Amino acid sequence: GAGVSQSPRYKVAKRGQDVALRCDPISGHVSLFWYQQALGQGPEFLTYFQNEAQLDKSGLPSDRFFAERPEGSVSTLKIQRTQQEDSAVYLCASSLTTSGRQETQYFGPGTRLLVL
Amino acid sequence: GNSVTQMEGPVTLSEEAFLTINCTYTATGYPSLFWYVQYPGEGLQLLLKATKADDKGSNKGFEATYRKETTSFHLEKGSVQVSDSAVYFCALSALTGGFKTIFGAGTRLFVKA
Repeated sequence: GAGVSQSPRYKVAKRGQDVALRCDPISGHVSLFWYQQALGQGPEFLTYFQNEAQLDKSGLPSDRFFAERPEGSVSTLKIQRTQQEDSAVYLCASSLTTSGRQETQYFGPGTRLLVL
Repeated sequence: GNSVTQMEGPVTLSEEAFLTINCTYTATGYPSLFWYVQYPGEGLQLLLKATKADDKGSNKGFEATYRKETTSFHLEKGSVQVSDSAVYFCALSALTGGFKTIFGAGTRLFVKA
């Protein structure tokens, strides 16, 4: 079916606002990843879900960042009290099973967040 | 910790030229290695991968060989096309890194007709 989709594609927030970014993975994919990509850099890992369980959140930069995947499908990345340094492209990726280290990840188009 | 270093861009080549984009890595254990590509206006997509030493990944005329002795995974293509213009990312995933995939900074390739 369809690939990974993300919404919104673009988000402008004022400093201090809360934002919520949505990811719809490929149907049936068990693993879901969130990444942050600064301009001119590679993606940096934020967090990993296996179904609804958040197994790795070691990349979340602060406690202002929170992610959930309550039913093991759609995921939301929430950023509270946004700061200018949060401006980046946020990428979501999914993979079919739990063997994530060897598996292909399928990426969404990203949400470009600009914090003013 | 685990890391990936790839050559800085941009790389500008004429059509039909030979391409090499260097990638070296640091990891404990035996990582899986990947090349992802991002075409203009599109999301990242897997180009090729190799999961053990001496494996060669290949796709669309691109090749990369997992060299444990030199901790390298250089991307090569014998004859580039204008349509190969994109940003290329080297990446690794290792058991010692939890569930992280670590990406290099990316190398932008421009191919001129």
